[in-house]
Amino acid sequence: GDSVTQMEGPVTLSEEAFLTINCTYTATGYPSLFWYVQYPGEGLQLLLKATKADDKGSNKGFEATYRKETTSFHLEKGSVQVSDSAVYFCALRGGGYQKVTFGTGTKLQVIP
Amino acid sequence: GAVVSQHPSRVICKSGTSVKIECRSLDFQATTMFWYRQFPKQSLMLMATSNEGSKATYEQGVEKDKFLINHASLTLSTLTVTSAHPEDSSFYICSGTLQGAAQETQYFGPGTRLLVL
Repeated sequence: GDSVTQMEGPVTLSEEAFLTINCTYTATGYPSLFWYVQYPGEGLQLLLKATKADDKGSNKGFEATYRKETTSFHLEKGSVQVSDSAVYFCALRGGGYQKVTFGTGTKLQVIP
Repeated sequence: GAVVSQHPSRVICKSGTSVKIECRSLDFQATTMFWYRQFPKQSLMLMATSNEGSKATYEQGVEKDKFLINHASLTLSTLTVTSAHPEDSSFYICSGTLQGAAQETQYFGPGTRLLVL
């Protein structure tokens, strides 16, 4: 079945540091890929998505590129802020299906 | 964006009792609601999908008689954990989506932490 693997956290960075959160997936067909973010005390929110190979999703300075050859969708941001502190979930929706499969989440803590 | 609330945010109960968790869409009508559970350091696992006015569709391995889901209106879905046991302790999250929208555009609640003693 479909699965998503993302790096364990927590990840602690200083403000303005470069962020990478790794995500790899296993799926049949051609899945759509997503990053969700959960700020403290709130529900998950869709951060960005990519629906086909080589697509780049971007939002709020975050980017992720759909790499079919490496089955990866790593999340990056060039300069993190304290307000980016949250839990980030990588997810996929298998081709032809509605169900979304989530990774375990990676907690990011940005310190001033 | 659309807001989903859950109540209670955390609950502690004794083994053998039943617990009801409410999920409300505050500013939109959610034709479809989803219920997830999350164990520590594990993925969000979809438990069931419910459409307003019809029976919920449960994922494989989820006991429908234990986890009763009611989606009586377009703004409210409830999950009742019946005869709860310590292994039911978990983080339960609901989400809602609009009619015809793809599942990735679902709006999530903040979750309910259940501890069964």
